[in-house]
Amino acid sequence: DTGVSQNPRHKITKRGQNVTFRCDPISEHNRLYWYRQTLGQGPEFLTYFQNEAQLEKSRLLSDRFSAERPKGSFSTLEIQRTEQGDSAMYLCASSLEVGKLFFGSGTQLSVL
Amino acid sequence: GIQVEQSPPDLILQEGANSTLRCNFSDSVNNLQWFHQNPWGQLINLFYIPSGTKQNGRLSATTVATERYSLLYISSSQTTDSGVYFCAVENTDKLIFGTGTRLQVFP
Repeated sequence: DTGVSQNPRHKITKRGQNVTFRCDPISEHNRLYWYRQTLGQGPEFLTYFQNEAQLEKSRLLSDRFSAERPKGSFSTLEIQRTEQGDSAMYLCASSLEVGKLFFGSGTQLSVL
Repeated sequence: GIQVEQSPPDLILQEGANSTLRCNFSDSVNNLQWFHQNPWGQLINLFYIPSGTKQNGRLSATTVATERYSLLYISSSQTTDSGVYFCAVENTDKLIFGTGTRLQVFP
């Protein structure tokens, strides 16, 4: 059990560029979650998967955001045409039991 | 949606002091977790405690689900306890976080 792994750790991009983040959950965890955290706030739910099925998306997840979990293992979160307001820490978590989540170290996105 | 409030928002302690952090939530929940976010941003699981009391070393937590609150106790605080403590509740398959308590422990 190596924990939840996220890559990259940091990403700096220019406004308008596309970015993609990867999350590798704890093996055998069937649930995978994406959260976003801005400075001074608690993490906010974006979306979650049970196996490969995306079961819920927050209204925070605009059309520029897309998440996939093609084989029910790792997941990617893509942001198209990034805006400065997208700058945040993007956190991934996985779980085997509902409500018992384990988080990765996050990807810090800075949009210039 | 469910609201999660944490108090106090900020707490400054001298090493060795004890503290109590509170989490109130606005609706019934299935699960509750306490996390510590270290200065590098990592969220570390402290307790999974939908009800009752648990202890782990200098930390303990109590959740009274019927009254919609949870408490986190830190005894004999150390500088390494510094960071932000989050309470998160689950009632629709996802965790909803509070705004956290920022703790600073000075030697």
